[in-house]
Amino acid sequence: GDSVTQMEGPVTLSEEAFLTINCTYTATGYPSLFWYVQYPGEGLQLLLKATKADDKGSNKGFEATYRKETTSFHLEKGSVQVSDSAVYFCALRGNTNAGKSTFGDGTTLTVKP
Amino acid sequence: EAQVTQNPRYLITVTGKKLTVTCSQNMNHEYMSWYRQDPGLGLRQIYYSMNVEVTDKGDVPEGYKVSRKEKRNFPLILESPSPNQTSLYFCASSSTGYNQPQHFGDGTRLSIL
Repeated sequence: GDSVTQMEGPVTLSEEAFLTINCTYTATGYPSLFWYVQYPGEGLQLLLKATKADDKGSNKGFEATYRKETTSFHLEKGSVQVSDSAVYFCALRGNTNAGKSTFGDGTTLTVKP
Repeated sequence: EAQVTQNPRYLITVTGKKLTVTCSQNMNHEYMSWYRQDPGLGLRQIYYSMNVEVTDKGDVPEGYKVSRKEKRNFPLILESPSPNQTSLYFCASSSTGYNQPQHFGDGTRLSIL
């Protein structure tokens, strides 16, 4: 079945540091890939998405590129802020069964001033 | 405001006492899903529904029931809750299509004693 493997956390960075959270996936067909963010006490919200190979999703300074050759969708941001502290989830939704969604374990990011 | 509403937000109950967690969305979405979030395990899909009267099992359906009698509502039923169902539960909805992101509720924290 489908699976998503995320970089283990927690990750602690200083403000303005560069962020990378690794995500690799296994799926049949051509899935869509997503990054969601969860702030304390809240539900998940979409951060960005990419729906085909070589697509780049971007939002709020975060970027991720759909790499089919390496089955990866790594999340990056050039300069993190304290307000970026949250849990980040990588997820996929397969084109063979749009009902199934698979999430990674989540990576907790803490940004210190 | 477009939203997914779950109730209750918090519940402490005892083993064997039937409970229902309600979920309602106001975006006319065809697709709805339930997840549980446990530390170190990410989000795991319990059940999903592609439309009214159409439901299917996710990865961890044991001990849960769902129904989809109306498009906007997708209740999660625990007929005989057990302590291993203590978790944080999320309902989500989306438009049809594997490239569509999901919209999440704020979560329901269940404690089964």
